[in-house]
Amino acid sequence: GQNIDQPTEMTATEGAIVQINCTYQTSGFNGLFWYQQHAGEAPTFLSYNVLDGLEEKGRFSSFLSRSKGYSYLLLKELQMKDSASYLCAVLDSNYQLIWGAGTKLIIKP
Amino acid sequence: ETGVTQTPRHLVMGMTNKKSLKCEQHLGHNAMYWYKQSAKKPLELMFVYNFKEQTENNSVPSRFSPECPNSSHLFLHLHTLQPEDSALYLCASSQARGAHYEQYFGPGTRLTVT
Repeated sequence: GQNIDQPTEMTATEGAIVQINCTYQTSGFNGLFWYQQHAGEAPTFLSYNVLDGLEEKGRFSSFLSRSKGYSYLLLKELQMKDSASYLCAVLDSNYQLIWGAGTKLIIKP
Repeated sequence: ETGVTQTPRHLVMGMTNKKSLKCEQHLGHNAMYWYKQSAKKPLELMFVYNFKEQTENNSVPSRFSPECPNSSHLFLHLHTLQPEDSALYLCASSQARGAHYEQYFGPGTRLTVT
C-alpha cells in the first residue's frame, strides 16, 4: 500500500531552527508537496520538489531524496506564527496526491 | 471574493437530514476536489472533477453525492449521514488535475452529525 510518515507533533523555540521529516512509500513518484495549515484554516501551499536537492524560499527550505523516499521541511528563525500543522503529500504515478497525517508544530517563546 | 470559498462554515445536522455544502473558486481553475479531514488522520480525497467531469470517486458512500454544474462551482449533497461522518470537509481547486499543479483550499465546512 501507499504510505506517508511524518511525526505527529514537534516543539521548538522561537528563533530556533526545526526540521520536519517525511518518508514515503508510493506507487510511483511525480513530486512532493509541503502545505501549512493553521488551526481552523485552509491548508496553504509551501513548496514542491520533484528533483533531488534543496529548494530554498526565504525562511523555509525543502529537501528531497527520491532514492531514500525522504523529504524534510526546514524552518529557520522560527516565529510564533509558524505554529501550525505541516502536511507532506506525494503525487503518485496516477497523479493522485497521497497525504500524510501532518505534523503539529508548537513554537514556544 | 477571491480564492476558494465554502459555505456554510459550520453545519450541525441530524442523521435524517438532507443538506448541501457549496464551494466556489474564483481562480479560473479547471479541477475541483472534495476532501474529508478528520483529526490526526491524512486528508482523504473523496471526489475529483476535471473540466466538470467526475474523474475520481474514492469509494465514497452513496450518502455523499457531488455535483459540479460548471468549473467554478462544486456541491456536496449530504443525506442520512452517520456520526462518523463528522469532520472538516475541504474543497480545493487547481489549474488542472495532476502534474505539479498546487491545490488551493477553501476554509472548510466543519460538519457535526448528531
